Amino acid sequence: DIQMTQSPSSLSASVGDRVTITCRASQGISNYLAWYQQKPGKVPKLLIYAASTLQSGVPSRFSGSGSGTDFTLTISSLQPEDVATYYCQKYNTAPRTFGQGTKVEIK
Amino acid sequence: EVQLVESGGGLVQPGGSLRLSCSVSGFTLSSYTMHWVRQAPGKGLEYVSAISSNGDSTYYADSVKGRFTISKDSSKNTLYLQMSSLRAEDTAVYYCGKSGSNHFIDYWGRGTLVTVSS
Repeated sequence: DIQMTQSPSSLSASVGDRVTITCRASQGISNYLAWYQQKPGKVPKLLIYAASTLQSGVPSRFSGSGSGTDFTLTISSLQPEDVATYYCQKYNTAPRTFGQGTKVEIK
Repeated sequence: EVQLVESGGGLVQPGGSLRLSCSVSGFTLSSYTMHWVRQAPGKGLEYVSAISSNGDSTYYADSVKGRFTISKDSSKNTLYLQMSSLRAEDTAVYYCGKSGSNHFIDYWGRGTLVTVSS
């Protein structure tokens, strides 16, 4: 099975900072990569699919890039409401594995 | 408006059984692959099971294979997860999810908590 590895596991940044989260697949998955945001005590929310397509209603400060095995989620200017855990997921074939998550906090 | 509402969670003893339901509205269950994802307390997301749009194909994580069964009743707009031989490590919030244009999850239910404990 393909493993999904996110880095870092957690980060702390200041409001307005540019934040980048990395997700690496153990084998190539083309662009079949989604990113989800889960705020504390809340349900996961789809942010990005097809590696770089922003889901409707998601602020434009979120962006995704990558293909094959290496992917990134970028928050261009971190806001207080972005405090959450972010997960990547491969969805080309089963198992549609999630990364272990990256917890983002405000410094 | 798309809505997914899980039910059926609760406290069950090790070795017991439970059936989760996910009632959907705003879309046709027979048109989309549906998913179950769980999250143990304080842990990350774990992909558990899926069923294809026509119901002919199912997937189970190794951790639940042989113990869980996914099914759906399109006439009732309801997705199910039958869980048996439950273990303490099955304790989690169970979410149902709808596929988007591909097999990512574009809509999630609020989840139902399953606690396996004596």
